[in-house]
Amino acid sequence: SQTIHQWPATLVQPVGSPLSLECTVEGTSNPNLYWYRQAAGRGLQLLFYSVGIGQISSEVPQNLSASRPQDRQFILSSKKLLLSDSGFYLCAWTGGASYGYTFGSGTRLTVV
Amino acid sequence: RKEVEQDPGPFNVPEGATVAFNCTYSNSASQSFFWYRQDCRKEPKLLMSVYSSGNEDGRFTAQLNRASQYISLLIRDSKLSDSATYLCAVSLAGGYQKVTFGTGTKLQVIP
Repeated sequence: SQTIHQWPATLVQPVGSPLSLECTVEGTSNPNLYWYRQAAGRGLQLLFYSVGIGQISSEVPQNLSASRPQDRQFILSSKKLLLSDSGFYLCAWTGGASYGYTFGSGTRLTVV
Repeated sequence: RKEVEQDPGPFNVPEGATVAFNCTYSNSASQSFFWYRQDCRKEPKLLMSVYSSGNEDGRFTAQLNRASQYISLLIRDSKLSDSATYLCAVSLAGGYQKVTFGTGTKLQVIP
């Protein structure tokens, strides 16, 4: 069966520090991968998606970036965090349009 | 107009009650529809897909109205464990299956 792993679960980082969040999927190949952010009391905002190794599309211009160095690995990064980057970051994968997403357990990031 | 809109609630209902949520979407080309459940401080989990003819899974019934561009979720015989936020989600046909989520409707089932 397919599983998705995301870490760390919680992170507190100072403004201006770098960020690296990792997501890996097991039990499937060539998944579509997504990074979403959910700010407190707000909806899910799509940040990046990837349909294959090295293929990244950005939905929202900001100081975050994403990379997909391996088929089942998706990384979210920032060189310098802003206070507004605080939120609940969720990685997701799907095997097809009719199947919906499976989300990782998320990383709760607080920038202080 | 937002792509996907939901009443944020909260809906406070007694155990055993029937409750219904609606969700409207703006893009008539939308092809796939879903309901997710999100518990407090947890990731959303797929509750059910919504099919054109409507579908049922135990106490949960989902329906799609393409003419009026909304989907609905009906929960019968509410349980305390149904308390959560329910997110609707809509996607267009496309290679990467981008899904747009509503902001969620909060349900609180009261003893």
